[in-house]
Amino acid sequence: DIQMTQSPSSLSASVGDRVTISCQSSQDINNSLNWYQQKLGKAPKLLIHNSSILQTGIPSTFSGGGSGTHFTLTINSLQPDDVASYYCQQGGHFSLTFAGGSFGRGTKVEIK
Amino acid sequence: EVLLVDSGGGLVQPGGSLRLSCAASGFNFGDYCMTWVRQAPGKGLEWVAKINEYGTEKNYVDSVKGRFTTSRDNAENLLYLQMNGLKADDTAVYYCAREVAASGASDLWGQGTLVTVSS
Repeated sequence: DIQMTQSPSSLSASVGDRVTISCQSSQDINNSLNWYQQKLGKAPKLLIHNSSILQTGIPSTFSGGGSGTHFTLTINSLQPDDVASYYCQQGGHFSLTFAGGSFGRGTKVEIK
Repeated sequence: EVLLVDSGGGLVQPGGSLRLSCAASGFNFGDYCMTWVRQAPGKGLEWVAKINEYGTEKNYVDSVKGRFTTSRDNAENLLYLQMNGLKADDTAVYYCAREVAASGASDLWGQGTLVTVSS
């Protein structure tokens, strides 16, 4: 099974700060990496798929990058509305056999 | 409106069974792979299962293999998760989600339904 390791588990930053969350997979997943935002009590929302492709309707303050085993989610200019938990997910579509869709443990983002 | 509505959750005793449903509307349900994701209280997201567009290919996380079965009725735009042999560790909010083609990403989610396994 592919393990996804996210860091940090939580962070506190000021409005306007640039925030970066890291995600590492236990094996090469090419660019099959997705990022979600989940606000308290709500279903997750897809932010980025295939490592760097911004989902329709998501502001360009969010960006993603990386390939292989190391990935990042960056929030440029953190806003109060960005307070949420963020999860990475390996998409399972990097080999001939579907490899599940395991998630990282999440990063809780707060405003300082 | 493009929508997924989860239902069927509730309180069940350990060893019991429950069937969750997910009703799709506003899009061509039969064109999409669908997944189930769960979230235990206060915990992170856990991918549970996936079914292809035709219902012919299914994948499960190891912890539910042999106990959970996902299926779909494309004529009725319905997705199901049959859960047998339920354990306390299965207590969670269960979400159905639509998969973006060839990415494994879920771009549309239901509101979730709570399953509580307790005596």
